[in-house]
Amino acid sequence: KNEVEQSPQNLTAQEGEFITINCSYSVGISALHWLQQHPGGGIVSLFMLSSGKKKHGRLIATINIQEKHSSLHITASHPRDSAVYICAGLQNKLVFGAGTILRVKS
Amino acid sequence: NAGVTQTPKFQVLKTGQSMTLQCAQDMNHNSMYWYRQDPGMGLRLIYYSASEGTTDKGEVPNGYNVSRLNKREFSLRLESAAPSQTSVYFCASTPTGWNQPQHFGDGTRLSIL
Repeated sequence: KNEVEQSPQNLTAQEGEFITINCSYSVGISALHWLQQHPGGGIVSLFMLSSGKKKHGRLIATINIQEKHSSLHITASHPRDSAVYICAGLQNKLVFGAGTILRVKS
Repeated sequence: NAGVTQTPKFQVLKTGQSMTLQCAQDMNHNSMYWYRQDPGMGLRLIYYSASEGTTDKGEVPNGYNVSRLNKREFSLRLESAAPSQTSVYFCASTPTGWNQPQHFGDGTRLSIL
């Protein structure tokens, strides 16, 4: 079993829908990262959080340390949000989930 | 704003050949990392360099060597390439250590026949 699990593996949404991607981890971590990988392959860091909630534009990340769970929400989704979303937990190094492939259809 | 630059972007090798993947960052970051990404798996750490002059093994170091040439550059070498090393390789950097957002290069797609 991977230490960092993401769900769903694949997600297809209609433009405008509210999207939630989940990340759970089985080990203690000090922080959690959310990253976005575009179809061209580049990876961009979206959030790093250790408690509560962070918001940037239409993206919201939340974490519950006690429940070992984090979520990434996208409001008013758009086709340009289509990408792979990756979470990673920080122990002494980053441990990455396998990613969630998101496709937003217009 | 170049950020993290990786070369080459694509490479095809034959089994047994050697090559070096280059990575350079222009953000004055101290820490640099090499990952590989395989289908259905998360990014896996090959080696990292916490600061100039230091390197440490990650999760999957076998078959690889690294050189932190200076503060800007961190190269990854495959001495004798094997088909199992077919992957996409990413270099990343942070100002100082793990507890900061990582800045990634665009990746090198490597195929070993």
